[in-house]
Amino acid sequence: AQSVTQLDSHVSVSEGTPVLLRCNYSSSYSPSLFWYVQHPNKGLQLLLKYTSAATLVKGINGFEAEFKKSETSFHLTKPSAHMSDAAEYFCVVSDSQAGTALIFGKGTTLSVSS
Amino acid sequence: NAGVTQTPKFRVLKTGQSMTLLCAQDMNHEYMYWYRQDPGMGLRLIHYSVGEGTTAKGEVPDGYNVSRLKKQNFLLGLESAAPSQTSVYFCASSYVVGQTYGYTFGSGTRLTVV
Repeated sequence: AQSVTQLDSHVSVSEGTPVLLRCNYSSSYSPSLFWYVQHPNKGLQLLLKYTSAATLVKGINGFEAEFKKSETSFHLTKPSAHMSDAAEYFCVVSDSQAGTALIFGKGTTLSVSS
Repeated sequence: NAGVTQTPKFRVLKTGQSMTLLCAQDMNHEYMYWYRQDPGMGLRLIHYSVGEGTTAKGEVPDGYNVSRLKKQNFLLGLESAAPSQTSVYFCASSYVVGQTYGYTFGSGTRLTVV
């Protein structure tokens, strides 16, 4: 079965510095991968998705992620953090064995200080 | 353009009480899902449905039942609520066309069992 592991439960950065949120996946074949963001007491918002097209995926708000099959990774990056980026981020894989249900990682909380 | 609508948005139950959460989508999606979100655990799949009249168990199905009598509705039932079911519940629906996936989440139901 597919799964994802988010390597950091909490990441702290200063405003204006780069963001790196790490995610490794496990899949028996080419997966569909996603990053979602959830601001405090809010719903889920799709940042970006990879579905076997270009390996570098650009999302909203300046985020991007690179699919690396050899490393089974799908890390999320942003060149310069903004205070509004403080939120919880989820790496997600689609499980074709469960009706294409999304399987979520446990999340990474991003804190941004001024 | 309602998307996925969850009712109710908030509920407090006493231990042993029963209730039903309703998820309604107006996008003619085939697939629907119920998740629960707990701190540090991400979202975990409870049950899912790949079409009208079908349901299947996800990762954490114990204590819950579901029904999908109509394509647009997916009901989640708690027969005898327990404090361990205190959580935020999210419903989602999706379409799959070839390698193209589209998912829509509801805004969540915050359930407290006392």
